[in-house]
Amino acid sequence: AQKVTQAQTEISVVEKEDVTLDCVYETRDTTYYLFWYKQPPSGELVFLIRRNSFDEQNEISGRYSWNFQKSTSSFNFTITASQVVDSAVYFCALSEAHDSGGGADGLTFGKGTHLIIQP
Amino acid sequence: DAGVIQSPRHEVTEMGQEVTLRCKPISGHDYLFWYRQTMMRGLELLIYFNNNVPIDDSGMPEDRFSAKMPNASFSTLKIQPSEPRDSAVYFCASSSPTGPRNTIYFGEGSWLTVV
Repeated sequence: AQKVTQAQTEISVVEKEDVTLDCVYETRDTTYYLFWYKQPPSGELVFLIRRNSFDEQNEISGRYSWNFQKSTSSFNFTITASQVVDSAVYFCALSEAHDSGGGADGLTFGKGTHLIIQP
Repeated sequence: DAGVIQSPRHEVTEMGQEVTLRCKPISGHDYLFWYRQTMMRGLELLIYFNNNVPIDDSGMPEDRFSAKMPNASFSTLKIQPSEPRDSAVYFCASSSPTGPRNTIYFGEGSWLTVV
C-alpha cells in the first residue's frame, strides 16, 4: 500500500525567510508519480509540480524548488524568500502507474502542512 | 481553456435529503476522480473513472453514495439519504495520460453541509 507522510502539521515563518516542507512516501511500485498541491484559504487545490520516479533531477520554478531523493523516499519543497501570499496548506501526493500506459491510479495525499507567512 | 467545473459550489441540506454533485471534466481528459476532504480524514479518493467506466470505487464510504459518468463530459456523485457526517468538501478532478502525463487537475470543490 502507498502512503505519504507530511510530518510538519504547521509551520510559521516571517516573510522573506526560506522554508522547507517535508514529504516522505512509501510505495512498492518502481514507477510512480509525486505531486505537490497548494490549497489557499479560498479552498481550491492548485497543482504545483509533478515528478516521475525515473527523474531525480531537482527542479526550480521561481522561488519554488523541489528536492527528490529516491534513496530516502523524500520529495521536499522549498520556498525561498517567502511571501504572505504563500500562506496556504500544501499537500504532497503520490500516484502509482497501474498499467503500461501509465494511467493515473488516483492520488494518495499526505495530511498537509499549514504554512503561515507572517508579515 | 476551462478547468474542471463543479456544481453546486455550496449546498446546505437537511439530513435525509438526496444530494447530487455535478462535475464537468477538462475536455479531452479520460480519467475522472471524486475526492472528499474532511478535517478528520484529509483528502480521500472516493472513486475514479477511465473512459466513463468506474475503475475503483473502493473508497466509496457506503451504499448511500453512488457515482455515475454517463458520458465523457459529465459525472455525478449522489448521496441518498444524506447524513451530517457527510458534510465535507467534495472535489472532482480529471487527468489525461497524454502530456502533461498524469497531471491531475482539480475543480474548485463543492462545499456540502448536512444539518
